[in-house]
Amino acid sequence: SQQGEEDPQALSIQEGENATMNCSYKTSINNLQWYRQNSGRGLVHLILIRSNEREKHSGRLRVTLDTSKKSSSLLITASRAADTASYFCATEGRDDKIIFGKGTRLHILP
Amino acid sequence: GAGVSQSPSNKVTEKGKDVELRCDPISGHTALYWYRQSLGQGLEFLIYFQGNSAPDKSGLPSDRFSAERTGGSVSTLTIQRTQQEDSAVYLCASSSQKGTEAFFGQGTRLTVV
Repeated sequence: SQQGEEDPQALSIQEGENATMNCSYKTSINNLQWYRQNSGRGLVHLILIRSNEREKHSGRLRVTLDTSKKSSSLLITASRAADTASYFCATEGRDDKIIFGKGTRLHILP
Repeated sequence: GAGVSQSPSNKVTEKGKDVELRCDPISGHTALYWYRQSLGQGLEFLIYFQGNSAPDKSGLPSDRFSAERTGGSVSTLTIQRTQQEDSAVYLCASSSQKGTEAFFGQGTRLTVV
């Protein structure tokens, strides 16, 4: 399966600290995407990194991709209470399907 | 429309009944996905439509599940003879083309009693 696996499953940090989440996958991909989900309903796209890219930034987000290790990381710097959510990595495989991992639940403590 | 629209938002049905869930993707988006999410879990892939190609149904959990997409736009996910284990949030997403982000609807929360 090409499904991503996030690590850790849950993470609690103090507001202002950085949060790092990791994702591993199994098969070749076109790209890898990170999404955020609040309150268990619709997901919001955060960032997309293509298979030929190694690092990408968007505001306080930094994503890395290592295709040799089939892994990615999402770094959120200077965390805020509003960052409390579940974060999912998703891989678009060679068959163009987007498959999601099980997610990391991030809790920002005041 | 401005975003992906799903209806109904919530559906309570009796075990054994059939249900239909609807998804209106963003106009012009050729790709459409259905996922299922149980409480506190990840998204389970169900089915993927891309343009006029045959859909990828590899994620459908049983033959009680089916989906169609009419005219390359609206999609309906049908669950026949619902079971309690079908209770979950069903999420629909669309994207404009391969290699781009997916936009999600707010989902349909299905409860089978």
